[in-house]
Amino acid sequence: GQNIDQPTEMTATEGAIVQINCTYQTSGFNGLFWYQQHAGEAPTFLSYNVLDGLEEKGRFSSFLSRSKGYSYLLLKELQMKDSASYLCAAISGGYQKVTFGTGTKLQVIP
Amino acid sequence: DGGITQSPKYLFRKEGQNVTLSCEQNLNHDAMYWYRQDPGQGLRLIYYSQIVNDFQKGDIAEGYSVSREKKESFPLTVTSAQKNPTAFYLCASSPSPGFAATEAFFGQGTRLTVV
Repeated sequence: GQNIDQPTEMTATEGAIVQINCTYQTSGFNGLFWYQQHAGEAPTFLSYNVLDGLEEKGRFSSFLSRSKGYSYLLLKELQMKDSASYLCAAISGGYQKVTFGTGTKLQVIP
Repeated sequence: DGGITQSPKYLFRKEGQNVTLSCEQNLNHDAMYWYRQDPGQGLRLIYYSQIVNDFQKGDIAEGYSVSREKKESFPLTVTSAQKNPTAFYLCASSPSPGFAATEAFFGQGTRLTVV
């Protein structure tokens, strides 16, 4: 079956760095992506990893290890507006199956 | 501007009533999806459609129905058979069959509350 695990909640300080981990177990894995979702709003796309390694995009970076079934999202220079839920999702089965994690609610404090 | 629109944003329904949630996109996307989001759970797929006049059940289709008569529209009906309909419903679209993460769009969501 498909399974994705990520922490439920995290708290970090403004200006700091935070790493949100995600582990997955899927058959026919194709790639993993991260979304940001503010409460009551639509998820917005952050990153998509297909190959092993680190993808950097401004303050946000995402890492994937296919052999370990592991990914993380790294947020640098945290800002208050980064307080949101971060959804990890794996795509598999020829891009037909998307499995979302429960999301990690990040609270940024002054 | 191209985008995907869900309406209404908030919806209240009496127990035992059917209700239809609207999802419209002007992105010329082939594929459209309906997800349900509950606290402490990930997005769960209700129904998806890869092309007009065709749709498939997702993981939690019971108590829901859809239609795809037009490319731009994918309405979701929550029927009285759905035992726990109170949730946040998200519609998404993708250019081609298969969820292209880098090109998929989500609507703003509809929060349905059964009273």
